[in-house]
Amino acid sequence: QSALTQPRSVSGSPGQSVTISCTGTSTDVGRYNYVSWYQQHPGKAPKLIIYDVSKRPSGVPDRFSGSKSGNTASLTISGLQAEDEADYYCCSYAGIRIFGGGTKLTVL
Amino acid sequence: QVQLVQSGAEVKKPGASVRVSCKASGYTFSSYGLSWVRQAPGQGLEWMGWISAYNGNTNYARKLQGRVTMTTDTSTSTAYMELRSLRSDDTAVYYCARDGSSEVDALFDYWGQGTLVTVSS
Repeated sequence: QSALTQPRSVSGSPGQSVTISCTGTSTDVGRYNYVSWYQQHPGKAPKLIIYDVSKRPSGVPDRFSGSKSGNTASLTISGLQAEDEADYYCCSYAGIRIFGGGTKLTVL
Repeated sequence: QVQLVQSGAEVKKPGASVRVSCKASGYTFSSYGLSWVRQAPGQGLEWMGWISAYNGNTNYARKLQGRVTMTTDTSTSTAYMELRSLRSDDTAVYYCARDGSSEVDALFDYWGQGTLVTVSS
């Protein structure tokens, strides 16, 4: 099973919004509502920021939101802040768990 | 508070085996599953497999089947991941992560600190 497809990099200025896509197939993202997103700062363990497509764990700011349409899930970060600069990974259930290749977010 | 504490860094020769431990605290160990995820230097996350801490059921990534074994010890709330026939491309940081209790899920809500495994002759 191939990794989910994410853009390698995205960027935005403080205060702006950015959206990171995660494209799979009808056997993973398109079939199940078990899509999660993780934020990873350099040298740190990943942190869960979205699960079940659009749910936020407690403590995660509501600037982070998730959605899904067909075979593509999306993570939107609004009101960009400097500390949002990190790598972001999506993950989907597909009989197994599959990660996306990761997206580096740069805050300009 | 939920904590996952992993064992320390390892250096292994090609062909050897490594076992990484992950001690859980702050929650009912048998009520959740655990996944192991690795990250090669400068690369993305790779899911390795899942184990139920309730009944020991496992689900391994296809590319690692035959080389990986995941187990749990409920008496000490500890999970173990053993990887055999190590190759240089197994060099990575290995993470344990609390996962859903069901095999059907994709939710890693707490992570260990990571264990660097270096495979080098």
